Formats: sequence, structure tokens, C-alpha cells
Amino acid sequence: SQQGEEDPQALSIQEGENATMNCSYKTSINNLQWYRQNSGRGLVHLILIRSNEREKHSGRLRVTLDTSKKSSSLLITASRAADTASYFCATVGPSQAGGTSYGKLTFGQGTILTVHP
Amino acid sequence: EAQVTQNPRYLITVTGKKLTVTCSQNMNHEYMSWYRQDPGLGLRQIYYSMNVEVTDKGDVPEGYKVSRKEKRNFPLILESPSPNQTSLYFCASSLYQQGPEELFFGEGSRLTVL
Repeated sequence: SQQGEEDPQALSIQEGENATMNCSYKTSINNLQWYRQNSGRGLVHLILIRSNEREKHSGRLRVTLDTSKKSSSLLITASRAADTASYFCATVGPSQAGGTSYGKLTFGQGTILTVHP
Repeated sequence: EAQVTQNPRYLITVTGKKLTVTCSQNMNHEYMSWYRQDPGLGLRQIYYSMNVEVTDKGDVPEGYKVSRKEKRNFPLILESPSPNQTSLYFCASSLYQQGPEELFFGEGSRLTVL
């Protein structure tokens, strides 16, 4: 089964509220990334957190990583209607060939965020 | 402009007719990869390449082939397409530092196999 599992599957909030999405994974990772997608368009990178980092900020985004629990969360503060989109976590895991290289990238099924004006 | 370009963007084909979806990036990225996106299943990695002549299987490689002869190009080949390969396909590229970094995605190729 896929490594990245996200919850909730859907989230509906009002403008100005905070949105929190969670991601869990199963194996060791090199880094974990969050992406945004609007209606079948290409994904846009939001933030990357490495396995030796615990928290990272970028504008209104805050990402945490707990490697002991194999989980991450994305917090969007003071949400706007323009934040309406699907959000995906992606984990970078060991290559199929094994060894120490990391190349396999696994996406979660995503959280659909709707922000009402 | 930094970009990942996929072609074709839309394609309708018939079972068994070989097709190639091209992917090209102009950012000198080492890492390139292909994904398919299906409703309810999210994005699943098909193949990836960490550099020229280095490719590896993702989660769903069956029925697909890839090659990485040049750094900028990473075509996806469907030798004998079947209806279950109807999907939205994305190509992406990134720098590679012990693992892929920020991925840049193409706009997607919507494939229908009849």
C-alpha cells in the first residue's frame, strides 16, 4: 500500500481560519515534501522538510515532522479562498535497488481543502 | 523560463498501439520521474531516474518503459497500451542531493485508451 496516508480526506473551513493536514508514512525517509494541486493541473511544491529537521516555516505555512511517529503535519494559517486546492504529502524513500540512495517518491492520497469566503 | 514540458497534452488511442509521451526539462536537473494520477488513488510513481542511464521502478511500472539517454529528456513508452492505462500522467524533475529535492511538474498528459 502507499506509504503516505493523509487525513482528513476533505476539509472545509471559513476564510481566516487555520487548516491542518496530517500525513503518515511507513518506512525510513530522506525528506518529506508538501505539494498543492489545483483541479488536475500540475502540482506545485510548497515546502520540504528533511529527516533531521523537526519544524519548518514558509510564509503562512508551518510543517512539522516526527520521525519517531512517522508523521508530518501541514498548517496553513489565516486561510484565504485562494488556498482552495488539493494538498499532497510526498515521502522520499529508499531506491528500489537498495543501498543508501533515495529515489522512490510516494504521494499520499491528498486532502481536499475548501476555504469559504 | 524554467519548465517541464510534456507532449502530447491529450491523446486518445486504441489498445495495442504503441505510444510515447515525451518529457523535457530545461533546468539541468539530475532527477526525473513519471507519475499517474487516478481518482481515489492519488499520484503513483511509475519510474524514476537519478541521472543519465540510471533508471529504477516506482510503485506501478508494469506496462511502461523509460529511457534516460540525455539529461534533459525522459520519455515514457507504452509498448502495448491497455484501457487500464487510461489516466492523467505527470512528469517531474528536480535537483538530487542524496534524494530528490523540490519537484517541478509538467502540466500533465491526459491519455485515453479505447
